[in-house]
Amino acid sequence: RKEVEQDPGPFNVPEGATVAFNCTYSNSASQSFFWYRQDCRKEPKLLMSVYSSGNEDGRFTAQLNRASQYISLLIRDSKLSDSATYLCVVNEGSSGSARQLTFGSGTQLTVLP
Amino acid sequence: GAGVSQSPSNKVTEKGKDVELRCDPISGHTALYWYRQSLGQGLEFLIYFQGNSAPDKSGLPSDRFSAERTGGSVSTLTIQRTQQEDSAVYLCASSSRHRDRQDTQYFGPGTRLTVL
Repeated sequence: RKEVEQDPGPFNVPEGATVAFNCTYSNSASQSFFWYRQDCRKEPKLLMSVYSSGNEDGRFTAQLNRASQYISLLIRDSKLSDSATYLCVVNEGSSGSARQLTFGSGTQLTVLP
Repeated sequence: GAGVSQSPSNKVTEKGKDVELRCDPISGHTALYWYRQSLGQGLEFLIYFQGNSAPDKSGLPSDRFSAERTGGSVSTLTIQRTQQEDSAVYLCASSSRHRDRQDTQYFGPGTRLTVL
């Protein structure tokens, strides 16, 4: 079983749609969670961290369910510029340490005009 | 400020040759990571440096791969006797314990390696 699993997609949605991505992780001791965005042939860039209480940044909402070991990303009112691959990322290090992150394989999103 | 830089941006080499890839992390970042990403695939962790600690080499796929970090800053990833399956984008990232979240990684633009 992969440590971090994502639905690879692709998700093809019309502009203005709401789309949700899910991610599960296998290590219950994982401490930090993130969503990264990777545009075609570009490097990954941090989109947002995921906090236990859930957090929102504009049109983006991230949620964490530790009991189910599940992370989600919701994009509202999707824009053409949201087209990218979204990577779920989990840090399995204990709090206070900087360990390598484990990346999911990514979910591809295409927003259609 | 300046981000993570990598060089070269593209490298084409012949099978069997050695290559060196360079990474300049963000100034002051203590942690440095190397990943590789094959076409259409996720990121594969290779090696991690943290300060003066011994590097975590658990992701290196074979003994043809090695990396060093001199003076706690610049890092070089060396691939000896390259094989066609080494073709990928090699990404470097750095992070700091003193900014934002301690484990947020900032990526360089990558080096696209093609082994003919």
